[in-house]
Amino acid sequence: GAGVSQSPSNKVTEKGKDVELRCDPISGHTALYWYRQSLGQGLEFLIYFQGNSAPDKSGLPSDRFSAERTGGSVSTLTIQRTQQEDSAVYLCASSLAGTGGAYGYTFGSGTRLTVV
Amino acid sequence: AQSVAQPEDQVNVAEGNPLTVKCTYSVSGNPYLFWYVQYPNRGLQFLLKYITGDNLVKGSYGFEAEFNKSQTSFHLKKPSALVSDSALYFCAVRDPGNQFYFGTGTSLTVIP
Repeated sequence: GAGVSQSPSNKVTEKGKDVELRCDPISGHTALYWYRQSLGQGLEFLIYFQGNSAPDKSGLPSDRFSAERTGGSVSTLTIQRTQQEDSAVYLCASSLAGTGGAYGYTFGSGTRLTVV
Repeated sequence: AQSVAQPEDQVNVAEGNPLTVKCTYSVSGNPYLFWYVQYPNRGLQFLLKYITGDNLVKGSYGFEAEFNKSQTSFHLKKPSALVSDSALYFCAVRDPGNQFYFGTGTSLTVIP
């Protein structure tokens, strides 16, 4: 597609439920990132996929968080047993890597998650 | 370790005045530096980047940024601020492994 697509745009869930957030990156972008933006906070890195390499999961805040990227394209971020502190905007970004790193990100519009 | 610092959480400027949003960085090797803007209820948008060459980089919406290697800074500037420039601005640095590091963001308010 023309841009990075995220769905849903808004999600309200009850505490303790599992949620899945989807990201469809720009076609051909080999790098995909998930970030979290909490109210009044900056961007918090969660996870990074680069091609077929093992993902960098160093930013995942707990083992309730996981992500996968199927076929080097679509990615799903899963949060199990959601807590109220998980409420945030979850941003996905992709970039074209491997050519000297001259490219920045293209961001999706985010999924606003509210845990009640 | 790579890092980015935006020392000001909030910047207020009067419409028509010049604006500066500060960013300093720490990165091994040659830095790739970026500015992104987030307008209310919107996703982040790319503004400009520095890879190599001229230290003054021009970007979208009349913004520019100056790379200063000795001061390890990459401040965002605009000669004349508009009310519509009010947004959240993020500085970022890319390391050789294509990992990005973001500053904590600076909220810019342009006062009419």
